[in-house]
Amino acid sequence: KQEVTQIPAALSVPEGENLVLNCSFTDSAIYNLQWFRQDPGKGLTSLLLIQSSQREQTSGRLNASLDKSSGRSTLYIAASQPGDSATYLCAVSGQGAQKLVFGQGTRLTINP
Amino acid sequence: DAGVIQSPRHEVTEMGQEVTLRCKPISGHDYLFWYRQTMMRGLELLIYFNNNVPIDDSGMPEDRFSAKMPNASFSTLKIQPSEPRDSAVYFCASSFSGGPFSYNEQFFGPGTRLTVL
Repeated sequence: KQEVTQIPAALSVPEGENLVLNCSFTDSAIYNLQWFRQDPGKGLTSLLLIQSSQREQTSGRLNASLDKSSGRSTLYIAASQPGDSATYLCAVSGQGAQKLVFGQGTRLTINP
Repeated sequence: DAGVIQSPRHEVTEMGQEVTLRCKPISGHDYLFWYRQTMMRGLELLIYFNNNVPIDDSGMPEDRFSAKMPNASFSTLKIQPSEPRDSAVYFCASSFSGGPFSYNEQFFGPGTRLTVL
């Protein structure tokens, strides 16, 4: 059974810092990995999707990497801003399956 | 596109009442998912459909929960009778499988916050 873990559970950093969020998964036979953002009381916004054959994806100040063999992904946020404050969730889907298995998320606070 | 639409956004009901949550997926998407989010258990998949057909309902907690997708643009999740432990945020999501090189990115609705008293 796939399990996804995100560390740390919460992170607080000053504005302008570069930071890394971690995600690990137990079964390396994944189809894709998605990073989402969730603002308080809101739905999930898809940030990046990495196919199993890819090693990284970039969107603006965000860069996500994937190392399938070690069961790890990282989300790098450059030059953090207060507007980046949210919970970030990592989710993986298995081969031949559509359903996503989610981590518990990292609650990120960027202090002005 | 308006994205995934869910209604109601908030629902407060009393234990024992029937609750119906509604979802309209993104037009053209062929997969629809129902998730539940709680503080204790995080996000859990309840059931998903492909082309209106239920594929995997192993996450449905018990017989009190049922889901239908009568057509490609509408799905319901029903709880009957509701219990306080059903209080959670329920999300609907959809995706497009496309051709052999589609990667099934899921798009989520804003959720329905259910409170059962």
